[in-house]
Amino acid sequence: QVQLQGSGPGLVKPSETLSLTCAVSGASISSSNWWNWVRQTPGKGLEWLGEIYHGGSTNYNPSLNGRVSLSMDRSKNQFSLRLTSVTAADTAVYFCARRPVAHGFDVWGRGTKVTVSS
Amino acid sequence: QSVLTQPPSVSGAPGQRVTISCTGTTSNIGATYDVHWYQHLPGTAPKLLIYSNTKRPSGVPDRFSASKSGTSASLAITGLQAGDEADYYCQSYDNRISGWVFGGGTKLTVL
Repeated sequence: QVQLQGSGPGLVKPSETLSLTCAVSGASISSSNWWNWVRQTPGKGLEWLGEIYHGGSTNYNPSLNGRVSLSMDRSKNQFSLRLTSVTAADTAVYFCARRPVAHGFDVWGRGTKVTVSS
Repeated sequence: QSVLTQPPSVSGAPGQRVTISCTGTTSNIGATYDVHWYQHLPGTAPKLLIYSNTKRPSGVPDRFSASKSGTSASLAITGLQAGDEADYYCQSYDNRISGWVFGGGTKLTVL
């Protein structure tokens, strides 16, 4: 059974960098899947942030204006999100998710709540 | 404002059938990209309900079905149950952003 577990600081100061990690169990991140980050801001819907493939290819949501980057650590079987220059608008619950090729996001982590505040 | 448009809310009595629409454009659903549907209970992880327009992952009851036509898609839920109360999201790929877009979500209330 594949499980994703997100982790990271629950509070980040404005203008700083938000860093989250998603640990994958039950599957290798080197398998043929895209590994994604999605967030849900308070009272709003889901917003896709970006994805990374086991070969290192990445795709990012252009609405984030270059502030987002994803990386993976194959030795730890985990992938990470980095969002720079955060503001209150980045306060959200952040989900990590797996997407097999030509498929929907079939496995999700439970979400990590991040508040941006001084 | 979401790229894919869904009604904010729908409701139905137990046992009834409801549908949730998802309207896109020629850069996403209309460009023949697949539509996926998710069920999300607050405080939990979203759950894949339908993938590739009409397919159900194992374990999803056949009370849930979906269709796609032109620039729109639709999710149908029959035999409504109290446990179906949740937010439902559609998703597709959009070639204007070269990435994934979601609908704004539809809150289903079982009366």
